[in-house]
Amino acid sequence: NAGVMQNPRHLVRRRGQEARLRCSPVKGHSHVYWYRQLPEEGLKFMVYLQKENIIDESGMPKERFSAEFPKEGPSILRIQQVVRGDSAAYFCASSPGGGQQPQHFGDGTRLSIL
Amino acid sequence: DQQVKQNSPSLSVQEGRISILNCDYTNSMFDYFLWYKKYPAEGPTFLISISSIKDKNEDGRFTVFLNKSAKHLSLHIVPSQPGDSAVYFCAAGGWAGNMLTFGGGTRLMVKP
Repeated sequence: NAGVMQNPRHLVRRRGQEARLRCSPVKGHSHVYWYRQLPEEGLKFMVYLQKENIIDESGMPKERFSAEFPKEGPSILRIQQVVRGDSAAYFCASSPGGGQQPQHFGDGTRLSIL
Repeated sequence: DQQVKQNSPSLSVQEGRISILNCDYTNSMFDYFLWYKKYPAEGPTFLISISSIKDKNEDGRFTVFLNKSAKHLSLHIVPSQPGDSAVYFCAAGGWAGNMLTFGGGTRLMVKP
């Protein structure tokens, strides 16, 4: 299966710890997107990246959240000093280019904060 | 403010009949629309899309209709199958298509 791979699938952290979520896009896709889904809600856009560049981070909380998509390796979504409200499913998507091309999603990382 | 709304949280349909899922949007800058299907504990799976220059797009059992003047789109599934039971999300993007705005989802149950 050459789809979007996210790991870990489940992540448990205590309040104040750091969470690192990884996303490997579909092979050949250079555009990566992160979305967050709270319980019983739709997905909310967080950030759009291309290799080594953040293109749009309008959906990212101003503090504690950061994302990167390095030249080599997966995209990383980092949440510092996690709080209970960060508990959610975090989905990564990729597309081969920008514009009107479907985004293909991974199975998500379910983050639980104790 | 919800820019994309799916007003029916759930829909129940008999196997073999038509399923019609609806979606309304408010932002006139949206011009690219998609439908995704989602099973529990999995990511959304892309089903079908439509650009604002069209009013209909068909792919097998799935057809999406777009009414720009009403800011409304719908997904028709014919015939419905039990395996179609899932949560369906509509999503909208601007001309660049990069940031998608999702509706809250409709849970479809297809009864055998």
